[in-house]
Amino acid sequence: NAGVTQTPKFRILKIGQSMTLQCAQDMNHNYMYWYRQDPGMGLKLIYYSVGAGITDKGEVPNGYNVSRSTTEDFPLRLELAAPSQTSVYFCASSYSDYFGRGDSPLHFGNGTRLTVT
Amino acid sequence: DQQVKQNSPSLSVQEGRISILNCDYTNSMFDYFLWYKKYPAEGPTFLISISSIKDKNEDGRFTVFLNKSAKHLSLHIVPSQPGDSAVYFCAASSIDAGNNRKLIWGLGTSLAVNP
Repeated sequence: NAGVTQTPKFRILKIGQSMTLQCAQDMNHNYMYWYRQDPGMGLKLIYYSVGAGITDKGEVPNGYNVSRSTTEDFPLRLELAAPSQTSVYFCASSYSDYFGRGDSPLHFGNGTRLTVT
Repeated sequence: DQQVKQNSPSLSVQEGRISILNCDYTNSMFDYFLWYKKYPAEGPTFLISISSIKDKNEDGRFTVFLNKSAKHLSLHIVPSQPGDSAVYFCAASSIDAGNNRKLIWGLGTSLAVNP
């Protein structure tokens, strides 16, 4: 049982390049999330999905796009990378949106460290 | 505007002693509070949570206390072990105007447990 798997672990992009951060979970969770963590900051929600085909914006969606064609996969697309997108990106999943209660906690991947120069 | 504040960026304790990590919040609509633990190069993992209708929740060496009147919660680790050295995030949850559950994160406290 791998849990939440993110690839790649590290990536350096030049300004203006694009890339897709991959996220896959094998727990059959309906809910999936993308967070970013800037140095010394808390986690900020970029996008989330409540099931295949359904996505919605979080707190900081600008510069990103997502898709959810299957329950397992939730890729995050960066178009026209900017230095402000230098961050560590975490993908997470949960069984339900009762994650706030602790009944269905968020399960995180190990992150992708992205540098845009 | 930081709705969830962890005012101590770091904490150092001796092995076997108690570790107390603090968290303050401003939004009285938060109904659940959670603690996550994060090791370097890994994602956060869920540790313990508490409902706003309770004032204490215990799970083994970990106890979370909630003081609603002070809008303050704390995580106690007794006894502290070197393996507890990690960053601890406080998070608070509420339902927003669109009936979506939100999770707001603090900045984290780095705990070092010295042998």
